[in-house]
Amino acid sequence: DTAVSQTPKYLVTQMGNDKSIKCEQNLGHDTMYWYKQDSKKFLKIMFSYNNKELIINETVPNRFSPKSPDKAHLNLHINSLELGDSAVYFCASSQGPGREEAFGSGTRLTVV
Amino acid sequence: AQSVAQPEDQVNVAEGNPLTVKCTYSVSGNPYLFWYVQYPNRGLQFLLKYITGDNLVKGSYGFEAEFNKSQTSFHLKKPSALVSDSALYFCAVSPSTGNQFYFGTGTSLTVIP
Repeated sequence: DTAVSQTPKYLVTQMGNDKSIKCEQNLGHDTMYWYKQDSKKFLKIMFSYNNKELIINETVPNRFSPKSPDKAHLNLHINSLELGDSAVYFCASSQGPGREEAFGSGTRLTVV
Repeated sequence: AQSVAQPEDQVNVAEGNPLTVKCTYSVSGNPYLFWYVQYPNRGLQFLLKYITGDNLVKGSYGFEAEFNKSQTSFHLKKPSALVSDSALYFCAVSPSTGNQFYFGTGTSLTVIP
């Protein structure tokens, strides 16, 4: 059983489209995260939810909107995709302070 | 501002030699410290963490890390490197309150046969 699963694994889409990436964790963790990893492998936090409540909202374009229907799921919706959105997006979860994060295997988004 | 520094983008070491990957941080209070490894086309995997107690922490795959409070460092070490250790390594710091993680920029480790 995969602890943190993301779908799709690969996503190729045209500029201007709207797309969603889904994330589910079966670890019973309270906190979930979205990260963006760029072509230089830098990892940047985007959002974090704790028990369905948004707790971290870094400076990202408002075209990005997270949604957490329950504490096991955190989806990422992106409107009006741009070339610069091409990256690998990682979902992660943790149980709280002092606890390590479990990461999904990533979604490679390519905007053409 | 909270920050984590990994001063080396790339570390090369011969197989069988000891390796060190450096990490320093600037985070208020007594933060929790972590190391993760990322293999190509994979997500990050947890290696080890320091919460409190002994400054030398042992983790997965023979890795260990040494916490130095006065130098605010948390260097990753392994006594004898394997070719299979070649990967991207991330240091991360989390304040003792709150759920945020601050990641370093990553260090690419290459172990040469």
